[in-house]
Amino acid sequence: EVQLAESGGGVVRPGGSLRLSCAASGFSFDDYGMSWVRQAPGKGLEWVCGINWSGGITTCADSLKGRFTISRDNAKNSVYLQMNSLRGDDTALYYCVRAAIVGKTFDVWGQGTMVTVSS
Amino acid sequence: QSALTQPPSASGSPGQSVTISCIGTSSDIGDYDYVSWYQQHPGKAPKLLIYDVRERPSGVPDRFSGSKSGNTASLTVSGLQAEDEAEYHCSSYAGNNIRLFGGGTKLTVL
Repeated sequence: EVQLAESGGGVVRPGGSLRLSCAASGFSFDDYGMSWVRQAPGKGLEWVCGINWSGGITTCADSLKGRFTISRDNAKNSVYLQMNSLRGDDTALYYCVRAAIVGKTFDVWGQGTMVTVSS
Repeated sequence: QSALTQPPSASGSPGQSVTISCIGTSSDIGDYDYVSWYQQHPGKAPKLLIYDVRERPSGVPDRFSGSKSGNTASLTVSGLQAEDEAEYHCSSYAGNNIRLFGGGTKLTVL
């Protein structure tokens, strides 16, 4: 079964850092690009960062102003999101998603890990 | 990189059809045939419904259909059923590996 399992969420103070992890299983991980998508409480979805199959191409939303970094380890079937200088508006459920081979879409979603930025 | 615009809510009675719009710009929806729609039930992760404007993944009923005209994409749900009550999110590729989402539309089946 194709699965994505996020971990690493929690409560962090403003200005702090957090590293999210996503463990993939059930598919050939290094064939796929991956992304992180977040959803603030009661709000819509927001694409955060994406990475290609090899890790050689990474892109993040301009609104993050360089605070977040995405990376992957194909030997561990894992993708990561390093989040620095966290702010209150970063509070959200963070989903790990798989980029489909066909079409620029996300065909598999994890269950999400919650990040709360609060003093 | 502005979010796409969706109506916050939509509704219809069982058996009816409802259409949800998603308005973008000439730099995203208008420039690429890479519009996706996702269905999200409360407390659940989003599920892919439509990709590449009108393509359905295996297992998605043909009651769900997508289309695009200019900078606006649409999702039509025909023959509404109670289980269609959910949040619907549109997304578009915007070039340079960037993706945009709409604010989501809550569909209520009356």
